Amino acid sequence: DARVTQTPRHKVTEMGQEVTMRCQPILGHNTVFWYRQTMMQGLELLAYFRNRAPLDDSGMPKDRFSAEMPDATLATLKIQPSEPRDSAVYFCASGLTGPKETQYFGPGTRLLVL
Amino acid sequence: SQQGEEDPQALSIQEGENATMNCSYKTSINNLQWYRQNSGRGLVHLILIRSNEREKHSGRLRVTLDTSKKSSSLLITASRAADTASYFCATAPVWGNNRLAFGKGNQVVVIP
Repeated sequence: DARVTQTPRHKVTEMGQEVTMRCQPILGHNTVFWYRQTMMQGLELLAYFRNRAPLDDSGMPKDRFSAEMPDATLATLKIQPSEPRDSAVYFCASGLTGPKETQYFGPGTRLLVL
Repeated sequence: SQQGEEDPQALSIQEGENATMNCSYKTSINNLQWYRQNSGRGLVHLILIRSNEREKHSGRLRVTLDTSKKSSSLLITASRAADTASYFCATAPVWGNNRLAFGKGNQVVVIP
């Protein structure tokens, strides 16, 4: 049963530290998305890739966040330096076709920045 | 910005009853999707309905789409305790941003 995997599942860190979240999309999917979910803001799209190329990262704070796809099996989201307001659940999702079609979500990384 | 808006925001029903949720949106869409999120888990895709479709079924789920009113409804029949979750609608706009816009979710509690 193919699924999106994310590591770590939980992360507690101190303000100012670097945080790296990893995602393995479903094999063969060509679109990858990073979302952030909070109670206040709901689900926000941070960035997405198509065929490993970044197409839209307008939802991402550029000064501290970066997203990459080193290869087709790995997507990363980095926060440097982290701040308490970054505390949230970060989801990765992948899709087989375009960004408007069905997305398959990973279990999320629950981040707490102290 | 998120386009889908679910209504009601929270729903509590007895097991065996039907649950209905609505979603409204503002701009023309290519398709509308419903997702479920159980507590502490990722979103799971339930059903996708395209702009030229009016109704779609999947098991105990029934989705309707009224493009003239820019609204959709999700009906869960014969609810079960396992249906307790948050339900999100997501719209894919025809023009502009090449992305899905998720609503804020609708919390459904099914009481055994």
